[in-house]
Amino acid sequence: AQKVTQAQTEISVVEKEDVTLDCVYETRDTTYYLFWYKQPPSGELVFLIRRNSFDEQNEISGRYSWNFQKSTSSFNFTITASQVVDSAVYFCALNNFNKFYFGSGTKLNVKP
Amino acid sequence: DTAVSQTPKYLVTQMGNDKSIKCEQNLGHDTMYWYKQDSKKFLKIMFSYNNKELIINETVPNRFSPKSPDKAHLNLHINSLELGDSAVYFCASSRDPTFPPQETQYFGPGTRLLVL
Repeated sequence: AQKVTQAQTEISVVEKEDVTLDCVYETRDTTYYLFWYKQPPSGELVFLIRRNSFDEQNEISGRYSWNFQKSTSSFNFTITASQVVDSAVYFCALNNFNKFYFGSGTKLNVKP
Repeated sequence: DTAVSQTPKYLVTQMGNDKSIKCEQNLGHDTMYWYKQDSKKFLKIMFSYNNKELIINETVPNRFSPKSPDKAHLNLHINSLELGDSAVYFCASSRDPTFPPQETQYFGPGTRLLVL
């Protein structure tokens, strides 16, 4: 069975703090993709990153970084020096065999 | 230029009515999807079409019927609307998921459906 768990329902930080959003997944397949999407208050879903199961290199994009560890089935997302505009719900997702399995989302509140 | 667009953005209707939501993508993708996001923000796939053919049909009531007139459009028709259908419905598209697999999905802005 495929499953994505985002244990943090809601996180509040003050601007400029670093914050890590956790994502743990379950799958028996060896080939799969992991994603992060952002859903700002306006409601749309914005693609952030895709990582395949054979590429465990961490990735950094500006203030965003992702840590993929197959040994712990985790794909965590860190925002450095958070900003108010980062306030959103963030979804982690697992994709294999044409299906997306989304986590329940983590709502991030960044306060000024 | 909007990559994936949905109309309407908001839909308020009475129980028992029939309504449609339209989706169009101009990305040249072969595959389109419908997702439902409930009040707790949980996202679940409903349907997937590849080149106008249904490839994924999750456990969705028969009252929901997707229609794909061409690969750039995937409309969702809902018969006999019920209170529990109130949700945000997202359309998405991706390149052919079979080759290469697990392509990124790009989402539309969502349609907020409220059934009274």
